[in-house]
Amino acid sequence: AQSVAQPEDQVNVAEGNPLTVKCTYSVSGNPYLFWYVQYPNRGLQFLLKYITGDNLVKGSYGFEAEFNKSQTSFHLKKPSALVSDSALYFCAVRAGRTSYDKVIFGPGTSLSVIP
Amino acid sequence: NAGVTQTPKFQVLKTGQSMTLQCAQDMNHEYMSWYRQDPGMGLRLIHYSVGAGITDQGEVPNGYNVSRSTTEDFPLRLLSAAPSQTSVYFCASRPRDDAGELFFGEGSRLTVL
Repeated sequence: AQSVAQPEDQVNVAEGNPLTVKCTYSVSGNPYLFWYVQYPNRGLQFLLKYITGDNLVKGSYGFEAEFNKSQTSFHLKKPSALVSDSALYFCAVRAGRTSYDKVIFGPGTSLSVIP
Repeated sequence: NAGVTQTPKFQVLKTGQSMTLQCAQDMNHEYMSWYRQDPGMGLRLIHYSVGAGITDQGEVPNGYNVSRSTTEDFPLRLLSAAPSQTSVYFCASRPRDDAGELFFGEGSRLTVL
């Protein structure tokens, strides 16, 4: 069965410092991988995705993520954190490439950027 | 652009009552899905649909029913609400065969007393 793990419930980082939010997954085949962000009392917003090709994916708001197939990881990164980046971040995986393949989410990581 | 619209935003039910959470999208997306969000558990898939007339179960389908009579609408029915169904519910859609991301509604917060 496919699964997604986000090993840190909470990540704290000082404003201006680089940030990393970790994600590992367990699926067979070649998955699609996604990161979403959720601000308080809002729905989830798409940040970036890995489909194929270059292992470093760039997305919205200066975020990027590195796909590592051997470690089955897809960590979210940003070179310089902003206070406005404080939010809940979800990693998600879609195991297959057919219309029936479901998207499974990790438990989420709460990011706090400290001024 | 409306995107994915969920109603109601808030609802309080008593145990045993029934209700329907509405979801509508105006992007002509074939794929629609319902998730529930609970603290520490992320989003769990309840039901999904790949087109009108086609639905299937997700991770936590018990206590919920769905139907898909049109491309635009995907209602979620609670036939006999239980306190364990207190949660925030999200509807999401995407084109069926696309590698694209899900588009989410703003959520419906349900409390079952």
